[in-house]
Amino acid sequence: DSGVTQTPKHLITATGQRVTLRCSPRSGDLSVYWYQQSLDQGLQFLIQYYNGEERAKGNILERFSAQQFPDLHSELNLSSLELGDSALYFCASSPRQGGYYGYTFGSGTRLTVV
Amino acid sequence: DQQVKQNSPSLSVQEGRISILNCDYTNSMFDYFLWYKKYPAEGPTFLISISSIKDKNEDGRFTVFLNKSAKHLSLHIVPSQPGDSAVYFCAATLGAQKLVFGQGTRLTINP
Repeated sequence: DSGVTQTPKHLITATGQRVTLRCSPRSGDLSVYWYQQSLDQGLQFLIQYYNGEERAKGNILERFSAQQFPDLHSELNLSSLELGDSALYFCASSPRQGGYYGYTFGSGTRLTVV
Repeated sequence: DQQVKQNSPSLSVQEGRISILNCDYTNSMFDYFLWYKKYPAEGPTFLISISSIKDKNEDGRFTVFLNKSAKHLSLHIVPSQPGDSAVYFCAATLGAQKLVFGQGTRLTINP
């Protein structure tokens, strides 16, 4: 157990629907990062939050949004889902901002859009 | 723009031999590099890292080499063990910015 909890582990939904992925960071970590891993692709950075504030955006579609709550858990909202959104979505946390401190990853949410 | 590249999608090595995984990057400003290991159905886990001011870092069977002039780093695993079979991701960062990951290399250790 890495200490980063992601729910649900698996999600199957239809095109056009909306889903919410949840992430609880490791205790004491203030930064949360969301990554997407599609088939044969690396980990694509989506968005970062630090202590409740958005700090960096990557290749995140306008149909996607995220937030970090006062208790530091984070949610990634995916709407108007398309087949191409099927992927593994990872959440990671770190004590501070930046990659120097390394990330602790959750086990991911596998999203299947049918 | 893929700033971190792992050009070998897969690598097969015999147990007991050396495994060498390669990674190239384009941003000369990156100042810290990391390797992560990923098993199926699990998230990536940190393996080893190296600062840009060094050219080698060793941790047990794992050694990372950095060649800044070539913008290249490699991970050596000696000796390779069956439990090393996994996907390995190279990552790089600059300052307080996010980690940028490569596409990953699937390493298979054959008995």
